[in-house]
Amino acid sequence: NAGVTQTPKFQVLKTGQSMTLQCAQDMNHEYMSWYRQDPGMGLRLIHYSVGAGITDQGEVPNGYNVSRSTTEDFPLRLLSAAPSQTSVYFCASSTPSGTVAEAFFGQGTRLTVV
Amino acid sequence: QQQVKQSPQSLIVQKGGISIINCAYENTAFDYFPWYQQFPGKGPALLIAIRPDVSEKKEGRFTISFNKSAKQFSLHIMDSQPGDSATYFCAASGRTGNQFYFGTGTSLTVIP
Repeated sequence: NAGVTQTPKFQVLKTGQSMTLQCAQDMNHEYMSWYRQDPGMGLRLIHYSVGAGITDQGEVPNGYNVSRSTTEDFPLRLLSAAPSQTSVYFCASSTPSGTVAEAFFGQGTRLTVV
Repeated sequence: QQQVKQSPQSLIVQKGGISIINCAYENTAFDYFPWYQQFPGKGPALLIAIRPDVSEKKEGRFTISFNKSAKQFSLHIMDSQPGDSATYFCAASGRTGNQFYFGTGTSLTVIP
């Protein structure tokens, strides 16, 4: 079982460059989301999707775009990278449940913007 | 503004001791309160979760205590082991669980 797969695992960008962080899940989950993890800040929600074609903003959406054309994939695009976007990015998927709404996380992408 | 407040930031416990981590929230629309465990270089993984219709949930050595009126919940790790050394995050979401709001994390070290 692959679960949630994120690529790349590490990336270094120069200020102003753009890139796409890939996320794929093979659990047929309806919900997918992106978080960034910074020291002392926990995980903060960037964007989320409740199904193909439906996305919405989370707590810290500025500088990021998402789209969800299929159930499986939820890429995160950095439009013009800034040093403040240096972080570890996690993609998660989940499915609604009456009892447990477990979010499954990928291994993360460590991004450094110089 | 942090939707879920977590303390302490770090915790050192002797093997066999009890580890306690506390969280508080304000949004009464939150309806699901999970705890996640994260090891270095890995993504968070669900440890245990509770809904507000119960005041306590126990799974093995891990227990969540929930106080709805105080809007607080806590994780208790009984008989703490060195393998429990990790970062723990509390979180909250609405009923459907499509958006999670996380605490700032607690780094737990269990000394042999």
